Amino acid sequence: GAGVSQSPSNKVTEKGKDVELRCDPISGHTALYWYRQSLGQGLEFLIYFQGNSAPDKSGLPSDRFSAERTGGSVSTLTIQRTQQEDSAVYLCASSYTGAQGGYTFGSGTRLTVV
Amino acid sequence: QKEVEQNSGPLSVPEGAIASLNCTYSDRGSQSFFWYRQYSGKSPELIMFIYSNGDKEDGRFTAQLNKASQYVSLLIRDSQPSDSATYLCAVNWGGGFKTIFGAGTRLFVKA
Repeated sequence: GAGVSQSPSNKVTEKGKDVELRCDPISGHTALYWYRQSLGQGLEFLIYFQGNSAPDKSGLPSDRFSAERTGGSVSTLTIQRTQQEDSAVYLCASSYTGAQGGYTFGSGTRLTVV
Repeated sequence: QKEVEQNSGPLSVPEGAIASLNCTYSDRGSQSFFWYRQYSGKSPELIMFIYSNGDKEDGRFTAQLNKASQYVSLLIRDSQPSDSATYLCAVNWGGGFKTIFGAGTRLFVKA
């Protein structure tokens, strides 16, 4: 596609429920990244995928968080048993190999856990 | 622990002035440096990247890199009210794909 597409744009969920966030990267971009941004804060790295290599999961804050990327394209970030501290904007980005030219971000998913 | 530090601001400059945004990073192995602009409620967008020591100019924007001092800056000439945003400094080190972002500097350009 022309840009990085994320869905849903907004998600309100009850504490304890599971949520899935979706990211469709730019066609031809081999690398895909998930970050989250809490209100007024910087970007916190969560996970990245590069081609068929094993993902770097070093930023996932707990085992309630997981992500997969199917067919080297679309990615899904899953948060199980959501907590109020999970409330944030979840940003997906993609790039060509090596990220030398920087990232292109999607418009994000605003997650609110009530 | 790789870190990227920025003054949170806000930095306020009058319209037409030069805005100077600064960033320091902790890892001497860092090789790629980026500036992103983020408007309130929007996602970050890339405005500049620089790999080599010295200056890189693109329109009203100039990125400056000093690897010896582990310092990167962004100059915005002829600042406009539309430049009011948060500017994020980001650093990527060689061989890795993970980019570390600073917390951002809020810039206000007063008309």
